[in-house]
Amino acid sequence: RKEVEQDPGPFNVPEGATVAFNCTYSNSASQSFFWYRQDCRKEPKLLMSVYSSGNEDGRFTAQLNRASQYISLLIRDSKLSDSATYLCVVETGGGNKLTFGTGTQLKVEL
Amino acid sequence: EPEVTQTPSHQVTQMGQEVILRCVPISNHLYFYWYRQILGQKVEFLVSFYNNEISEKSEIFDDQFSVERPDGSNFTLKIRSTKLEDSAMYFCASNQGPLYGYTFGSGTRLTVV
Repeated sequence: RKEVEQDPGPFNVPEGATVAFNCTYSNSASQSFFWYRQDCRKEPKLLMSVYSSGNEDGRFTAQLNRASQYISLLIRDSKLSDSATYLCVVETGGGNKLTFGTGTQLKVEL
Repeated sequence: EPEVTQTPSHQVTQMGQEVILRCVPISNHLYFYWYRQILGQKVEFLVSFYNNEISEKSEIFDDQFSVERPDGSNFTLKIRSTKLEDSAMYFCASNQGPLYGYTFGSGTRLTVV
């Protein structure tokens, strides 16, 4: 099983749609989980941390299921500017190391 | 908003040459990292650095690689003898501690010819 696994996409959705991304991770000892966004040839940018209780930031909602080792990201009312690659990121190594998924590409269209 | 600054943005070097990639982490951050991303592939961990020493490194980070914090602001990655397969985007990152999100710099694109 890969350390962090994501569906690579691409997900092509119309503006205003709701889209969900999923991610699984293999290390049950991981403590911190994040979603990052990466635009083409740019650095990853932190979108949000993911907590067991679930958390929301505007149009974005993240969920964590520790028992299933599963993380999700929901984007509501998607905008053209949401087009990017979304990276599922899991902390491993006692907090000193992040392991990245390969990313899921999102294209929001008119 | 505080930034992680990396220089140069793009470096072309000949195989076998030494390169030094430079980073200025966010000033109140204590943990520093280097990651790399080969074109079309995922972001990969290279090394983490805390309290003036390496805290963890990956299998990629072999004897050809070294890191240094020469003063209170800079954090450098040196590759002693570059190989073609070292061509990648190298990202520096910093954070306040474990469990905190990282801030990444805009990267240095290294091309080895």
